Amino acid sequence: EVQLVESGGGLVQPGGSLRLSCAASGFTFSNYWMSWVRQAPGKGLEWVANIKQDGSEKYYVDSVKGRFTISRDNAKSSLSLQMNSLRVEDTAVYYCASGSTYTVYWGQGILVTVSS
Amino acid sequence: DIQMTQSPSSLSASVGDRVTITCRASQGISNYLAWYQQKPGKVPKLLIYAASTLQSGVPSRFSGSGSGTDFTLTISSLQPEDVATYSCQQYNSVPRTFGQGTKVEIK
Repeated sequence: EVQLVESGGGLVQPGGSLRLSCAASGFTFSNYWMSWVRQAPGKGLEWVANIKQDGSEKYYVDSVKGRFTISRDNAKSSLSLQMNSLRVEDTAVYYCASGSTYTVYWGQGILVTVSS
Repeated sequence: DIQMTQSPSSLSASVGDRVTITCRASQGISNYLAWYQQKPGKVPKLLIYAASTLQSGVPSRFSGSGSGTDFTLTISSLQPEDVATYSCQQYNSVPRTFGQGTKVEIK
């Protein structure tokens, strides 16, 4: 059974940093692109970033470029999202997602709240 | 970036009704379009990919069509368990972009 389990969310002040992690199991993690997708409270889905199987290619939505960094550790089947210079508008549930095109497997989501 | 616009934003229909949701891309995306269903408080679920291919396990009352810039998701006979928000997503180019969602309720 495929499982994606996010951790690392919480409350942070504007300008602060947070690191999200996603532990993957039930599939060969190193064979797949991986992504982060977020959803602000009461809003629609927003794709944030994705990363190629070997980490050699990374893409970001404009609103997080230069502030967020996606990375992976294939030996540990782990995906990460380092979030710096956080803004109030980054408040959202962040989902770890398999693949680079459409998403079949989603994590349960982790809430990140940016507030003073 | 490719903008995805869904209509309507919400709808209310009776059980058994045929429901159609449209999604328009700001530029051509071939058939690189997916549809998701998200029930309140739940994780999104993939319904359709490649514009018209039904994901395994999804009821056959769901169908998708379209190519280029105009796409539709159809529920042939609305069921109570179909109450949810439906979103389209293009994967023709980066950044991947979603529509704003269509909330479906039972009348």
